[in-house]
Amino acid sequence: SQTIHQWPATLVQPVGSPLSLECTVEGTSNPNLYWYRQAAGRGLQLLFYSVGIGQISSEVPQNLSASRPQDRQFILSSKKLLLSDSGFYLCAWSPSTAHQPQHFGDGTRLSIL
Amino acid sequence: AQTVTQSQPEMSVQEAETVTLSCTYDTSENNYYLFWYKQPPSRQMILVIRQEAYKQQNATENRFSVNFQKAAKSFSLKISDSQLGDTAMYFCAFCFYNQGGKLIFGQGTELSVKP
Repeated sequence: SQTIHQWPATLVQPVGSPLSLECTVEGTSNPNLYWYRQAAGRGLQLLFYSVGIGQISSEVPQNLSASRPQDRQFILSSKKLLLSDSGFYLCAWSPSTAHQPQHFGDGTRLSIL
Repeated sequence: AQTVTQSQPEMSVQEAETVTLSCTYDTSENNYYLFWYKQPPSRQMILVIRQEAYKQQNATENRFSVNFQKAAKSFSLKISDSQLGDTAMYFCAFCFYNQGGKLIFGQGTELSVKP
């Protein structure tokens, strides 16, 4: 069966520090991968998605970047965090075949001080 | 613009009763999929039910069913025999056939099931 791992679960970082959140999927190949941010327990905002290695689509101009160095690995990064980067970050995957539901990781709660 | 609107920020229901959560969406596309996700206090996102836009028959999944009205762009979720474990945020979302499967979410409805 397929599983998705996201870490860390909680992160407290000072303003201006770098960020690296990692997400890996097991039990499938060539998945679609996604990064979302959720502010204040409300709707999810899609940040990045990827349909293959090295293929990243950005949805929102911001202080963040994403990379997909391996088929089942998706990394969210920042060189310098802002206070507005605080939130709950969720990674998700779906099969590359048509329009299967997305499955989410457990999320990372990021607090910027 | 492609948007999803959930007009009920909060709702409550008595245990064992039925509740309906509303969702409307706006798109000019004809082929898409619709979903309801549940987010309990643990904040894990859990798929509740999905509906293919080309299917007229409403999807059902145990106590959960949808009322899909394509012309009205409406996709409501009905929860029958509500249980305490149904307490959660519920998000309506849709995705298109040819956009990498990315989901567009509504702002959510916070449902409280009371004993």
